[in-house]
Amino acid sequence: GAGVSQSPSNKVTEKGKDVELRCDPISGHTALYWYRQSLGQGLEFLIYFQGNSAPDKSGLPSDRFSAERTGGSVSTLTIQRTQQEDSAVYLCASSSTADYTEAFFGQGTRLTVV
Amino acid sequence: GENVEQHPSTLSVQEGDSAVIKCTYSDSASNYFPWYKQELGKGPQLIIDIRSNVGEKKDQRIAVTLNKTAKHFSLHITETQPEDSAVYFCAARSNFGNEKLTFGTGTRLTIIP
Repeated sequence: GAGVSQSPSNKVTEKGKDVELRCDPISGHTALYWYRQSLGQGLEFLIYFQGNSAPDKSGLPSDRFSAERTGGSVSTLTIQRTQQEDSAVYLCASSSTADYTEAFFGQGTRLTVV
Repeated sequence: GENVEQHPSTLSVQEGDSAVIKCTYSDSASNYFPWYKQELGKGPQLIIDIRSNVGEKKDQRIAVTLNKTAKHFSLHITETQPEDSAVYFCAARSNFGNEKLTFGTGTRLTIIP
């Protein structure tokens, strides 16, 4: 596609439920990043993929959070047993290895845990 | 790890005046410094970036300066317009193969008509 695509754009879930957030990076981009942005706050790093491997998972807040990437393309961020503090906008970005500088962001998934 | 500090957190300027946002970083290995603009309800969008082999870069009304010795870099917007109102984030990254961008906490810029 022309840009990074995230789905759903909005998700409301009940506390304790599991959610899956999807990111489709720009075609050919091998690096993929997940960030979290709480209301009015900065961008908190969660995890980074190079191809299908995740050399840096240091930002995942707890073991309820996991992410995978298959075929070097689509990535899924899964949050198990959601809590109210998980409410935030989850942003995905991708960048090309050939020019591994500029990272392009998707529009984000707004997650609300009620 | 890298730590990026950004000031001010909010900034209001009269339309037509200049705006300056400043960031400092801690990791001397960082050598790529992008600036992102985020409008309400949208993802961050890259507006300008600078690499550590240059001290200044300009793109029309926007410029970025980098002082590697002092480990700080700044965004300058001249002749501000209402559409410049947004949240601006600075970031830093090491060049060791696609490592994560570490972001500042953001500056909410408001242009007063």
